Amino acid sequence: QLLEQSPQFLSIQEGENLTVYCNSSSVFSSLQWYRQEPGEGPVLLIALYKAGELTSNGRLTAQFGITRKDSFLNISASIPSDVGIYFCAGQGLDKSGAQKLVFGQGTRLTINP
Amino acid sequence: NAGVTQTPKFRVLKTGQSMTLLCAQDMNHEYMYWYRQDPGMGLRLIHYSVGEGTTAKGEVPDGYNVSRLKKQNFLLGLESAAPSQTSVYFCASSYRDVNSPLHFGNGTRLTVT
Repeated sequence: QLLEQSPQFLSIQEGENLTVYCNSSSVFSSLQWYRQEPGEGPVLLIALYKAGELTSNGRLTAQFGITRKDSFLNISASIPSDVGIYFCAGQGLDKSGAQKLVFGQGTRLTINP
Repeated sequence: NAGVTQTPKFRVLKTGQSMTLLCAQDMNHEYMYWYRQDPGMGLRLIHYSVGEGTTAKGEVPDGYNVSRLKKQNFLLGLESAAPSQTSVYFCASSYRDVNSPLHFGNGTRLTVT
């Protein structure tokens, strides 16, 4: 299982909107988005469980693809505290058939004032 | 609200030395995990536990051992440290299974010289 995130780096102006994408050739039963601030552990932003599900959390909106192989996270009207690394994580089966949570490689967001 | 606490926060080891990283959670979570984070690699699962007294291998288990003698604690051991184990280590816990959101500690930065 492999989760590809894009872009790997994102630099935007304060107030702009941004979208991070997550894609895989594997099917996931659920997909989660996390943000990691410098020096801290990742924190859950949004969890998606149903195919096609669109969920919002304040300025954040995320959708789970119909095929359960992809997702996006959109942040509107960015502010300085949005900086950090964004990870998608999908739950699926590994080679042994056990359920595992697989993380993408992350998207590093910087915001210019 | 302590959540997930990791000790120590920083450690420097020489090649061949051993050490144990401690993770403690106060949320009565069943599942606990150890991840390592390397630049551009996302979070990779080392070992995990689905309950007291149980452990299982993750994606990158070689060179590490774990124990879960008490439900609230999950220990990660390095018997003979190698430079390739230089990384940031994160412990996480979840209520029931990987569909449940993960709660992360703030990490341990380990350098092996």
